[in-house]
Amino acid sequence: EIVMTQSPATLSVSPGERATLSCRASQSIDTNLAWYQQKPGQAPRLLIYAASARATGLPARFSASGSGTEFTLTISSLQSEDSAVYYCLQYDDWPPWTFGHGTKVEI
Amino acid sequence: EVQLVQSGGVVVQPGGSLRLSCTASGFVFDDYTMHWVRQVPGKGLEWLALIDWEGRSADYADSLEGRFTVSRDNTKHSLYLQMKSLTIEDTALYFCAREDDHLRHFDYWGQGTLVTVSS
Repeated sequence: EIVMTQSPATLSVSPGERATLSCRASQSIDTNLAWYQQKPGQAPRLLIYAASARATGLPARFSASGSGTEFTLTISSLQSEDSAVYYCLQYDDWPPWTFGHGTKVEI
Repeated sequence: EVQLVQSGGVVVQPGGSLRLSCTASGFVFDDYTMHWVRQVPGKGLEWLALIDWEGRSADYADSLEGRFTVSRDNTKHSLYLQMKSLTIEDTALYFCAREDDHLRHFDYWGQGTLVTVSS
């Protein structure tokens, strides 16, 4: 089973600042990685797939990169509505599909 | 618009059984593999099960130890999760999710069903 490790656990940033979230896989997953945003009481929302492809309608301030074992989600110029928990998901080696434990972004 | 609408929350006693449902609309349901994912309150996401588009092939997380069964009825555009021998540790928010038709991530999610296992 591939273990996904996210850091930091919590990120406190001011509006307008940049946030950089990391996700590391325990073995290479090529670019088979997705990022999700989850707000309290809601289902996860797909942000990024294939490590860097943005989901339909995603604001341009969200970008992502990486391949192999190291991945990054960047939110430039944070807005209040970006407060959420962000999860990465590997879909390279399954089952099981495995998620990171999440990074909570506080604004 | 793609929608996955799940059944309402429920309380069940330890050792009990339960069937969750997820009804799809806005897309051709029987073109897609579907999944179940759960989230213990305040915790992360755990993949549970998948079923292929025609319902002939399913796979499960080892942690379920054979207690859960996923099924689907394509005539009703519905996905199900039959759960038995429930324990307090099964208390969680259960989500259904659609698998992307090209890559294998989850592109749309249901709103979640809260299952509370309590005496």
